[in-house]
Amino acid sequence: EVQLVESGGGLVKPGESLTLSCAASGFTFSTYALNWVRQAPGKGLQWVSSISRYSSYIYYADSVKGRFTISRDDARTSLYLQMNNLRADDTAIYYCAREGGGSRFYDYWGPGILVTVSS
Amino acid sequence: QSALTQPASVSGSPGQSITISCTGTSSDVGDYNYVSWYQQHPGKAPKLMIYDVNKRPSGVSNRFSGSKSGNTASLTISGLQAEDEADYYCSSYTRRSDSYVLFGGGTMLTVL
Repeated sequence: EVQLVESGGGLVKPGESLTLSCAASGFTFSTYALNWVRQAPGKGLQWVSSISRYSSYIYYADSVKGRFTISRDDARTSLYLQMNNLRADDTAIYYCAREGGGSRFYDYWGPGILVTVSS
Repeated sequence: QSALTQPASVSGSPGQSITISCTGTSSDVGDYNYVSWYQQHPGKAPKLMIYDVNKRPSGVSNRFSGSKSGNTASLTISGLQAEDEADYYCSSYTRRSDSYVLFGGGTMLTVL
């Protein structure tokens, strides 16, 4: 059974940093691209970042470029999101999502983890 | 403002059919057969319902179907059931340099 479980969320102040983790199991982790997608309270889904197999290609939304860093550890079957210089508008539930194929759809999602940025 | 345009809400009675539209541009929906649809119940993670415009993942009811015409994709749910009440989001592959995938703003489906 495919499972993705996020951790590392919480309450931080503006300007602080936080690292999210996503522990994966039930599939051959190294062969899939992985993404972070977020959802602000009461709002829609917003793509944040993507990392391909072997970390060959990495993409970021303009809103987080230069502040967030995505990475993966295939040996630990884990995905990470290092978030620096956090802002209030980064407050959201962050989902780890697996790409099911080259057409960029997400076939499995984690339950999500809440990040709150507030003074 | 979301990159893909969806109606904010739709409603239907049990047993009826409804259709949710998702309008993009020739840089995304119109140029690729890579539209996906997600169902999200309150407090839950999104669930993939349709991918590549009209393909259903294993385990998704055949009451859910997808289509596309030009820059607009559609999700149709037939034989509405109470458990279909949820938010629905479309998504598309894009060749925009500032994004990787685009999402619609979401449509709240109410089963009357």
